[in-house]
Amino acid sequence: NAGVTQTPKFRILKIGQSMTLQCTQDMNHNYMYWYRQDPGMGLKLIYYSVGAGITDKGEVPNGYNVSRSTTEDFPLRLELAAPSQTSVYFCASSYSRTGASPSSGANVLTFGAGSRLTVL
Amino acid sequence: LAKTTQPISMDSYEGQEVNITCSHNNIATNDYITWYQQFPSQGPRFIIQGYKTKVTNEVASLFIPADRKSSTLSLPRVSLSDTAVYYCLVGPISSGSARQLTFGSGTQLTVLP
Repeated sequence: NAGVTQTPKFRILKIGQSMTLQCTQDMNHNYMYWYRQDPGMGLKLIYYSVGAGITDKGEVPNGYNVSRSTTEDFPLRLELAAPSQTSVYFCASSYSRTGASPSSGANVLTFGAGSRLTVL
Repeated sequence: LAKTTQPISMDSYEGQEVNITCSHNNIATNDYITWYQQFPSQGPRFIIQGYKTKVTNEVASLFIPADRKSSTLSLPRVSLSDTAVYYCLVGPISSGSARQLTFGSGTQLTVLP
């Protein structure tokens, strides 16, 4: 089981460029998330998805877009990159269902290794 | 959203028990408490989850008092490899709760030899 796979691991962008961070999970999780983590800070939720075709904004969605065409994939698109988007991006997944109990592992997030993005 | 408050940092020595407390005064009835561990340059990793009283697994224990306004992660006999940031999350585990899975700043635990 690969878990959650993110690509690329590192990327340097120029201001105004666009790019897509890829995220794939092989655990058949219905929920997927994108977080960003600035140096010395906690993680902030950018976007999340509760299933294929359904996405919603988190705390800090401005400057980003997502899509969820399949259960496995949840790419994050950066349009017109800005220095403020320099960060480490983490993709995560979980499964969630109504009435889940803690022992079921519901809403336990599995994270990818992260993608370090620098915008110059 | 249930806001959490944790100490910014803690130091300990190898072999000691470490207790990290998280305050969550406005926890909701259907909220669970989940702790994650994060090493530098890695994504967070699940440690333990609970609703009330005490939960124990092979790596940690989680103590939750009756009022559930705080919780304590207990790491027995820490080693240097336990040096990491520890996050407390509070939110429901049933569907429709993704927006509420927000991380605070976490607690940097440093284990000294």
